[in-house]
Amino acid sequence: DGGITQSPKYLFRKEGQNVTLSCEQNLNHDAMYWYRQDPGQGLRLIYYSQIVNDFQKGDIAEGYSVSREKKESFPLTVTSAQKNPTAFYLCASSQTVSNEKLFFGSGTQLSVL
Amino acid sequence: KQEVTQIPAALSVPEGENLVLNCSFTDSAIYNLQWFRQDPGKGLTSLLLIQSSQREQTSGRLNASLDKSSGRSTLYIAASQPGDSATYLCAVGLTSGTYKYIFGTGTRLKVLA
Repeated sequence: DGGITQSPKYLFRKEGQNVTLSCEQNLNHDAMYWYRQDPGQGLRLIYYSQIVNDFQKGDIAEGYSVSREKKESFPLTVTSAQKNPTAFYLCASSQTVSNEKLFFGSGTQLSVL
Repeated sequence: KQEVTQIPAALSVPEGENLVLNCSFTDSAIYNLQWFRQDPGKGLTSLLLIQSSQREQTSGRLNASLDKSSGRSTLYIAASQPGDSATYLCAVGLTSGTYKYIFGTGTRLKVLA
């Protein structure tokens, strides 16, 4: 089955620790995205990537970093600089970046210990 | 700045009822609009995508309409079922060539058996 796989489903971060969220897609999509979802708020864009080895900051990129070394993979690192990391993180992809249909993974819930 | 609003935030209806979910946006210069479904603790599933040149899209018991001039979209669900219980989100795609969707905060729907 084609789709987007996010792991882990739950993740806990200690003070001062960096953690990495995995996102893999087998849809052969060029564009990939990371969103953050907080209760009572709409999804907010963290980073997006149009092609391999290229990525752009979204609206709330501070305290996060990404890489796009392979077309199918777009991992997100939540660094210690992100002071309020507790949220539900969603990875998405689309055929291209031009506002096409978005496909989402099942999400990762990140909490602070 | 584009803002997307979904009212009501929550809705309970008896099984079998036809219902309408609302999505309002402040800037009519949109590229497209998507409706999504999200089950608790899960990712988003795209239901319908309406291009700015279209007035409506249909899929099974779902019908989405778009009125750009008034900044409104509606999602009509016919003959609601308990399995339709979920949060429904709309997202407005900004003008062509950009990456951004602006998401509403969603309407949490509960269909009572």
